[in-house]
Amino acid sequence: NAGVTQTPKFQVLKTGQSMTLQCAQDMNHNSMYWYRQDPGMGLRLIYYSASEGTTDKGEVPNGYNVSRLNKREFSLRLESAAPSQTSVYFCASRTPENTEAFFGQGTRLTVV
Amino acid sequence: AQKITQTQPGMFVQEKEAVTLDCTYDTSDPSYGLFWYKQPSSGEMIFLIYQGSYDQQNATEGRYSLNFQKARKSANLVISASQLGDSAMYFCAMREASGYALNFGKGTSLLVTP
Repeated sequence: NAGVTQTPKFQVLKTGQSMTLQCAQDMNHNSMYWYRQDPGMGLRLIYYSASEGTTDKGEVPNGYNVSRLNKREFSLRLESAAPSQTSVYFCASRTPENTEAFFGQGTRLTVV
Repeated sequence: AQKITQTQPGMFVQEKEAVTLDCTYDTSDPSYGLFWYKQPSSGEMIFLIYQGSYDQQNATEGRYSLNFQKARKSANLVISASQLGDSAMYFCAMREASGYALNFGKGTSLLVTP
């Protein structure tokens, strides 16, 4: 099993450019998440999706949009990237029993 | 308000010694789950251990155990017989039954020395 797969692993954007971070899981999980990790801040929740077709804002949603395309895929879009969005982004999915969340390898995004 | 607090930004431990990483949490939900993750320098998030709020016994997974003190709202991670490979960031997280979010603390950096 691949688990949670994120693409790309690294990306450099210019201010104002747009991009979509892709995430797919093959574990048939309903719940999926997008986090950003900044030094000294831990992981902060951007958006989550409790099930296919539903999405909700987390702690830091401004500047982002998400799309739960189907049960497997949950994408994160930056419409107009800003330097403040320079971060490491993690996608995760959670087991129905709520006892474990699996993370992707992360995407290191730099906005210049 | 911060739901998960990890008060130790950095910890040192000598190889083969045990170490305790502190985590306190804040919730009014009677049903919740507590998680610990390890993040080595390579960056991936590795699940270590889970404790449910109704679990009677403290969770254990190999060298990892969770010292769960419900009344104190603490969920400390104990690593026994530390190894050099345990050097990493460690994150405590909580999910309340009333919500979907998995809330993380800011992490503790552990360095294991020879």
